[in-house]
Amino acid sequence: GENVEQHPSTLSVQEGDSAVIKCTYSDSASNYFPWYKQELGKRPQLIIDIRSNVGEKKDQRIAVTLNKTAKHFSLHITETQPEDSAVYFCAASMHSGGSNYKLTFGKGTLLTVNP
Amino acid sequence: DGGITQSPKYLFRKEGQNVTLSCEQNLNHDAMYWYRQDPGQGLRLIYYSQIVNDFQKGDIAEGYSVSREKKESFPLTVTSAQKNPTAFYLCASRTGGIAKNIQYFGAGTRLSVL
Repeated sequence: GENVEQHPSTLSVQEGDSAVIKCTYSDSASNYFPWYKQELGKRPQLIIDIRSNVGEKKDQRIAVTLNKTAKHFSLHITETQPEDSAVYFCAASMHSGGSNYKLTFGKGTLLTVNP
Repeated sequence: DGGITQSPKYLFRKEGQNVTLSCEQNLNHDAMYWYRQDPGQGLRLIYYSQIVNDFQKGDIAEGYSVSREKKESFPLTVTSAQKNPTAFYLCASRTGGIAKNIQYFGAGTRLSVL
């Protein structure tokens, strides 16, 4: 089955700096890659996603890049703010048989933005 | 955020006891999922259901059971066979149509063993 590796597990940056989180996946059939943000004690919330027919997608300070050949994708946060502090999860959607749209998640990155 | 309701928020289980976690959605989503979250482990899939009266095992189904008798409801039972049930449990549902991969999560139930 699909395997998603996420790095780093923790990341600490100064306010205003950029943060980059990287994920690799194993199943070349995966074609949907969302990123979720989870604040302490809260539910994960989708912040951005990308499909395999594009290489990059931006939404204000957040961007995601995808390299299908290398099977890796990355989350980029620019001009970080303290409210960006959270755990971020990447995921990949594996299709099998009847396209079950199961998500396989990475283990998460704890991002801390220091004021 | 609304539309997916999990209850209770906190639950305690005695040894040998079965407990049931509730998940209800009013988003008219066909597919629903249960995940278990442990510190440093990400989200691991327990069971999922794509339509009423049908469900499949995920990666860590042992010790759990589910039912899907109504589109809106997907309860998860943690049985006494699950020896390490302490975790944060998240329910999700999935949209259809063009954006059919997107999953939305409930607020979670934190289960602890007494």
